[in-house]
Amino acid sequence: DAGVTQSPTHLIKTRGQQVTLRCSPKSGHDTVSWYQQALGQGPQFIFQYYEEEERQRGNFPDRFSGHQFPNYSSELNVNALLLGDSALYLCASSPGTGIVNEQFFGPGTRLTVL
Amino acid sequence: DQQVKQNSPSLSVQEGRISILNCDYTNSMFDYFLWYKKYPAEGPTFLISISSIKDKNEDGRFTVFLNKSAKHLSLHIVPSQPGDSAVYFCAATVLLRGSARQLTFGSGTQLTVLP
Repeated sequence: DAGVTQSPTHLIKTRGQQVTLRCSPKSGHDTVSWYQQALGQGPQFIFQYYEEEERQRGNFPDRFSGHQFPNYSSELNVNALLLGDSALYLCASSPGTGIVNEQFFGPGTRLTVL
Repeated sequence: DQQVKQNSPSLSVQEGRISILNCDYTNSMFDYFLWYKKYPAEGPTFLISISSIKDKNEDGRFTVFLNKSAKHLSLHIVPSQPGDSAVYFCAATVLLRGSARQLTFGSGTQLTVLP
């Protein structure tokens, strides 16, 4: 079992561009959550997907959007990139929306916005 | 408004001694607390958790204590080992509608265990 995988590992974009990050959940997991971790901070919840729908959303603007596919994999899209969007983006999967102690994190995608 | 706070950015302890990592929270609705460990270039990994109906949970060398009246929890690692050197995150959660939970993290504490 490969666990949670994310791609790409690193990404460099310029202000105003759009980016798509990808996540494959751990086998048997149907729920995907996305977090943003700025330098020196803890992960901050962006949103959670279950049954191909956004179920919960944190305090992030509409520039942040996502999608979940029938195979439970997920994408995070960020439009009109700002310098402040530079961060490590973490994907976490779990067997259900309420099972946090079985939430497995991927290694993250490091996004740099210049 | 930081609902979960870890006021010590770093902590150094000698191998074999006890490591105590602290965490404070402000939201009294939190009913479940977790500790995660994070190595560089890896995602956080779940370490131990505690429900708000308990005041202590133990798993091997790791014990988490919860003081609800003080809105404070701590993680004790005994004995500390060099492999424990990592960033430790405290997280809290509350049951939302639809049985969903989301994690609210603290800013982390870098633990260094010196050989």
